[in-house]
Amino acid sequence: DTGVSQDPRHKITKRGQNVTFRCDPISEHNRLYWYRQTLGQGPEFLTYFQNEAQLEKSRLLSDRFSAERPKGSFSTLEIQRTEQGDSAMYLCASSPGRFGPFEQYFGPGTRLTVT
Amino acid sequence: DAKTTQPTSMDCAEGRAANLPCNHSTISGNEYVYWYRQIHSQGPQYIIHGLKNNETNEMASLIITEDRKSSTLILPHATLRDTAVYYCIVSGYSNYQLIWGAGTKLIIKP
Repeated sequence: DTGVSQDPRHKITKRGQNVTFRCDPISEHNRLYWYRQTLGQGPEFLTYFQNEAQLEKSRLLSDRFSAERPKGSFSTLEIQRTEQGDSAMYLCASSPGRFGPFEQYFGPGTRLTVT
Repeated sequence: DAKTTQPTSMDCAEGRAANLPCNHSTISGNEYVYWYRQIHSQGPQYIIHGLKNNETNEMASLIITEDRKSSTLILPHATLRDTAVYYCIVSGYSNYQLIWGAGTKLIIKP
């Protein structure tokens, strides 16, 4: 399968714990995006990378959220000190090219439940 | 806020054409119209995009009005597997992010 993959698919954690999600984009895509989606809403943009450079992170929801893409390949999204309000689907997408959002290819998402 | 307006839900009979409208009256000259869909419990799937000409691919057709203030996504022969939430998004060529609304829930009925 050459699509975008995310791991884990589901994560249940207790409030206050840290969690980390991984995204493997389509190999030739140099752009990578993270979104959050809550029930009944469209995806909400969080951050994006052009290769290893994080070019936009102001939409990360708080300083508890951080993302990395160390070698311009896979990416991780970390949430520290999770809160119940962090429960959501976290989506990763990738796209080719240097300009425009182009068509973005999404992974299946990681569903986070904070108890 | 999303820059598009879509109906909350629509029904369509299997085998018929599904026509999904979208209003984007504040679209600017360099903004594209994108359509994605999201089948339950899956990540969104890109369908099609266009600037001002009508576009067609293997999944759908996109009809954009001459004034570009609205568009219609057409699924020519809807199947049960086309049941999904369909999102219409406008975004400029130099933008990196997509602003998503709540979309249209399309239900294909047998």
